[in-house]
This record gives sequence, C-alpha cells and structure tokens, in this order.
Amino acid sequence: AQTVTQSQPEMSVQEAETVTLSCTYDTSESDYYLFWYKQPPSRQMILVIRQEAYKQQNATENRFSVNFQKAAKSFSLKISDSQLGDAAMYFCAYRGMEYGNKLVFGAGTILRVKS
Amino acid sequence: NAGVTQTPKFQVLKTGQSMTLQCAQDMNHEYMSWYRQDPGMGLRLIHYSVGAGITDQGEVPNGYNVSRSTTEDFPLRLLSAAPSQTSVYFCASSYSRGLGNSPLHFGNGTRLTVT
Repeated sequence: AQTVTQSQPEMSVQEAETVTLSCTYDTSESDYYLFWYKQPPSRQMILVIRQEAYKQQNATENRFSVNFQKAAKSFSLKISDSQLGDAAMYFCAYRGMEYGNKLVFGAGTILRVKS
Repeated sequence: NAGVTQTPKFQVLKTGQSMTLQCAQDMNHEYMSWYRQDPGMGLRLIHYSVGAGITDQGEVPNGYNVSRSTTEDFPLRLLSAAPSQTSVYFCASSYSRGLGNSPLHFGNGTRLTVT
C-alpha cells in the first residue's frame, strides 16, 4: 500500500519570505499523481497544486511551486513571498492508477505566518 | 453551482445512536468518497464509489455503511456510534475519466462528536 509522510508537524515563516514543506511517499507504481491541499481554519480543503509523475517539469502555480524528485520519491512544496493568508494546514496526497484510484494523504503540516 | 454539499455541519451523538451524514454533488461526478480527519493522521478513506450502484471499502470502513443509488448522492451511515468515531468527516468527488489527474472536490465537512 502507498504511504505518504510529512515529517514536519509545524513550520513557521516570516511574511514575504520563502518556506518549503517536505513530503515523501512510498509506491511501486511508475504512473501516479501528487497533490498539495491547503486547509485553512475554515476547514475547507483547497487544491494548491498537482504534479503528474510522468512529467519531469516541476509544477508551478503563482507563488507555489514543487520540487518533484521521482527517484527519491520526494515532493516538496515551496511557497514564495509568504502571505498571512497562507497560514493553514497543508496536506500532501498521492493518487495511483490501481482500481479505485484512492487518494492517500499525509498527516499534514501546520504553517504559521508571522507578520 | 453548489459543488459538494454536506449536511449537517455539526452533530453530537450519544454512544449507540445511529445517524446518516448526507452528501450530494451537482457536477455529474462518477467518483465519490468519504474521509475522516483526525489530528496527526491526515485524512483516511472510509468508503468510496466509482459509480451508481458500486461501493467499496477504504482504509477504515468498520462501523460505517454507504450506498450509491444515484450519481448525485452518497450518504454515510453510522450504525451504532462510538466515541472512536468522533472526527471531522469529508465527502469528496471527482470525474472518473482521467481519474488520476482529476482533483477531488471536497465538501465543507461535518464535525461529529460522540459522547
């Protein structure tokens, strides 16, 4: 079974600075998808960014980018120019190609943004 | 466009009571799923469905039942509530075609407390 590990329970960043959230995963599949979701205090789950494993180019969405290292099974999220609104719980998630295509989540990282 | 609608938002049950968490989506998504979120454990899959009339167990199915009689609705039933079922529950849906790359759309969650 696939597993997703987020080794940082909490992170802090100063407003306007850059922070990187770590994520590693374990799988025997060669094709899969990776996601980062943001959960603010409102409890809403918001898709931040996604990456297809067959693409070597790292995904970017405005201030959010990933560092995808397929061989190392690593998928970190970089947030540039951090804003107060970035404060949230961030979940890394894996979705494989087997029947059911279940989305497997990491335990999450709480990001605090200091003004 | 309502997206994924979950009701109720909050619920308190006594041990042994039963209840149904409702989930409806209006995006014509074939795939629907239920997750529970517990501190330090991320989101764990309870049950999922790849289409009307088809349901499967996820990682933590015990104590829960589901059915999928229509494409739009995917209710989650707690048969006999236990304190261990105190959690936040999320319903999520997506397209099945191109499933891996299709992000999950989440409802706003139900906070359930069992006393």
